[in-house]
Amino acid sequence: QSALTQPASVSGSPGQSITISCTGTSSDVGNYNFVSWYQHHPGKAPKLLIYDVSNRPSGVSNRFSGSKSGNTASLTISGLQAEDEGDYYCTSYTTSSTLVFGGGTKLTVL
Amino acid sequence: QVQLVESGGGVVQPGRSLRLSCAASGFTFSNYAMHWVRQAPGKGLEWVAIISYDGTNKYCADSVRGRFSISRDNSKNTLYLQMNSLRTEDTAVYFCARDPRVYNSAYYFDYWGQGTLVTVSS
Repeated sequence: QSALTQPASVSGSPGQSITISCTGTSSDVGNYNFVSWYQHHPGKAPKLLIYDVSNRPSGVSNRFSGSKSGNTASLTISGLQAEDEGDYYCTSYTTSSTLVFGGGTKLTVL
Repeated sequence: QVQLVESGGGVVQPGRSLRLSCAASGFTFSNYAMHWVRQAPGKGLEWVAIISYDGTNKYCADSVRGRFSISRDNSKNTLYLQMNSLRTEDTAVYFCARDPRVYNSAYYFDYWGQGTLVTVSS
């Protein structure tokens, strides 16, 4: 039950787009569309951004989008804003009937 | 509005036990699966366990299997995490979170509590 692989950090300037990858295996990301993404600011509850690979909950900006190809899921944030700074996590359902998180990615808006 | 409030955290010695609670309100608790997720200091989020809406199905992470047990009391709208044989590496903020699908599991989390800190130290 190894953690999904995410880059430790990404950065971008306001207005730019960035993509965070989330690589798993055929036992998790590659086998299910139960991939979700969360934004987390220290001391606060994580916030759901994307569920089922590419669905956005109501109230989440359409600047956030998700996709998947094979064993790798991706979160794209377009039109970067200062408020987007924070930690981002992916998660996936697994063949063991468990869930697994990615290691997390720290986003810095330059 | 949906509210999840964790309690029961504190400082405990290695090898001892602790039970966390998560009080739910603002929704029909008995209709939803629930999860525990934790975050160790300076580390990322780690999924801990899930329990089905009626408590019949439970799964947990390899790192806690055999030591932690998830349960619920739908009459009290409360989720529990019984933690036994605690280790220093179990030190973390523990969050409860709701799974959004009624009478089933969607395998993501739409509402989270604020967390309760568990520190395992001698």
